[in-house]
Amino acid sequence: GENVEQHPSTLSVQEGDSAVIKCTYSDSASNYFPWYKQELGKGPQLIIDIRSNVGEKKDQRIAVTLNKTAKHFSLHITETQPEDSAVYFCAATASGGSYIPTFGRGTSLIVHP
Amino acid sequence: IAGITQAPTSQILAAGRRMTLRCTQDMRHNAMYWYRQDLGLGLRLIHYSNTAGTTGKGEVPDGYSVSRANTDDFPLTLASAVPSQTSVYFCASSAQPGGNTIYFGEGSWLTVV
Repeated sequence: GENVEQHPSTLSVQEGDSAVIKCTYSDSASNYFPWYKQELGKGPQLIIDIRSNVGEKKDQRIAVTLNKTAKHFSLHITETQPEDSAVYFCAATASGGSYIPTFGRGTSLIVHP
Repeated sequence: IAGITQAPTSQILAAGRRMTLRCTQDMRHNAMYWYRQDLGLGLRLIHYSNTAGTTGKGEVPDGYSVSRANTDDFPLTLASAVPSQTSVYFCASSAQPGGNTIYFGEGSWLTVV
């Protein structure tokens, strides 16, 4: 089955700095890579995703890059703000009923004002 | 639209008792999932269902059972709770299995004493 490794487990930055979270996956069949943000006491929510037919996707201050050859993808947050503080999860999966989304262990991002 | 509704929100349960966590979605999604979240271990899949009438085992299924009698409901049952089942439980759904956005409920906090 798929194995997703996520690093770092914790990330502390100053407001305005950039933050980068990296994930690697093992199954070359995976073609969908979402990122979720979990605020304290809530369920995870999708913030951005990328499919294997593109290498990068941006949405305002967040971007995701994908390197299929190396089997890794990363989340980039620019101009961080205190409200970006949360736990972030990456996941990898493929289309089809036999593929179950596999999540990384999460990164706790702390943005200091 | 409510999305995914979980109940109870929190519960303290005596070891050995039977407990059912309820999950209902109003998005007519085919796939549903149960995850548990523990500190440092991320989101681990307990059971899943790709469509009504079918279920499958995830990464940590022991001690849990599920049923999927219809599209909307996906209850998780702990037949005889043990302290190691103390966790936050998230129900989730996606339109189709595999490479689709997963929508999470707000979680059920369960403490087994």
